[in-house]
Amino acid sequence: ETGVTQTPRHLVMGMTNKKSLKCEQHLGHNAMYWYKQSAKKPLELMFVYNFKEQTENNSVPSRFSPECPNSSHLFLHLHTLQPEDSALYLCASSHPPYVDTQYFGPGTRLTVL
Amino acid sequence: RKEVEQDPGPFNVPEGATVAFNCTYSNSASQSFFWYRQDCRKEPKLLMSVYSSGNEDGRFTAQLNRASQYISLLIRDSKLSDSATYLCGGPNDYKLSFGAGTTVTVRA
Repeated sequence: ETGVTQTPRHLVMGMTNKKSLKCEQHLGHNAMYWYKQSAKKPLELMFVYNFKEQTENNSVPSRFSPECPNSSHLFLHLHTLQPEDSALYLCASSHPPYVDTQYFGPGTRLTVL
Repeated sequence: RKEVEQDPGPFNVPEGATVAFNCTYSNSASQSFFWYRQDCRKEPKLLMSVYSSGNEDGRFTAQLNRASQYISLLIRDSKLSDSATYLCGGPNDYKLSFGAGTTVTVRA
């Protein structure tokens, strides 16, 4: 299934590196989300974009910077991350309103050394 | 109180057994919920939506209990392939909140 794709699938980076995660959805949705999933913890919503406009920033540190150039693409720019930022980062999309069914991408497993 | 809470389990059941577990929610105005299945190191995948009348899909039945503010998922005739973590999601304002998941392990 290729409704929501994410690249890269795995990423190892040092604390001084800058990297970007990419998400693309082919479902015609207008809402896109970034989630963080750490071991044994609930999905943590990070950012929400609706029609390319950011409508939610869930108290995410500024070392995470999202970008949504259009309704189909979503980026998460990373810089000066900490080891505790190591997690699975999931992108999702849905039709607005936000409470409609969300479809997830395969995630990027990030390790910060 | 957390917006959505689940018993983490694990629920260890023999093949062919019935297993059921709940998810409680705090937003009494919520009207739609979702059960997702997540396999180890994979993304969550939608299992079923749950509205006021509940939902049934093959061996899976989901119910919504508004009075007690919980949704349930029942799996009949468990298969080995049902082993996974089951996440429930409920609306909170304009976003979905997820529980931490309930782990089910079906053994031969």
